[in-house]
Amino acid sequence: GENVEQHPSTLSVQEGDSAVIKCTYSDSASNYFPWYKQELGKGPQLIIDIRSNVGEKKDQRIAVTLNKTAKHFSLHITETQPEDSAVYFCAASYFGNEKLTFGTGTRLTIIP
Amino acid sequence: DTGVSQDPRHKITKRGQNVTFRCDPISEHNRLYWYRQTLGQGPEFLTYFQNEAQLEKSRLLSDRFSAERPKGSFSTLEIQRTEQGDSAMYLCASSGYREGNEQYFGPGTRLTVT
Repeated sequence: GENVEQHPSTLSVQEGDSAVIKCTYSDSASNYFPWYKQELGKGPQLIIDIRSNVGEKKDQRIAVTLNKTAKHFSLHITETQPEDSAVYFCAASYFGNEKLTFGTGTRLTIIP
Repeated sequence: DTGVSQDPRHKITKRGQNVTFRCDPISEHNRLYWYRQTLGQGPEFLTYFQNEAQLEKSRLLSDRFSAERPKGSFSTLEIQRTEQGDSAMYLCASSGYREGNEQYFGPGTRLTVT
């Protein structure tokens, strides 16, 4: 089955700086890669996703890149703000088997 | 309808008791998923439904676990003879074709087995 690895497990950045979280996946059939933000006591919130037919997608301060050859994808957050502090999860799935396989999460702390 | 809802939000039960959780998906979403999340880990897939049909079950879903979605709307997840290892957050998500199958999660039900 699919295996998703995520790094780093914790990340602290100064407010206004950029944050990058990286994930690798094992199943070359995977073609859908969402990112979720989870705040304490809440369910995961979908923040951005990318499908295998594109290499990059951007939404305001967040962007995701995908390298299918290397089987890795990354989340980039620019101009970080205190409200970006949370745990971020990457995930992978493929068409016809929509269950998501999640990484182990990255705790992002924005230092004011 | 503003999102996926789950009830209850918290459940404390004694080992050996049965518990049932409910999930109401986003209106018109035809797929509904159950995941389990333990402390410090990502959610792990348990099972999913397309309309009322249960299409896949994880190996994590032992015989003590059963899920239903009788009319293709809300779903229930029952755990029989609970064990301390069942303590976790149980998350429900839903998706629909119009959203490209993106999964939207509810707030979860936190189960504590004492």
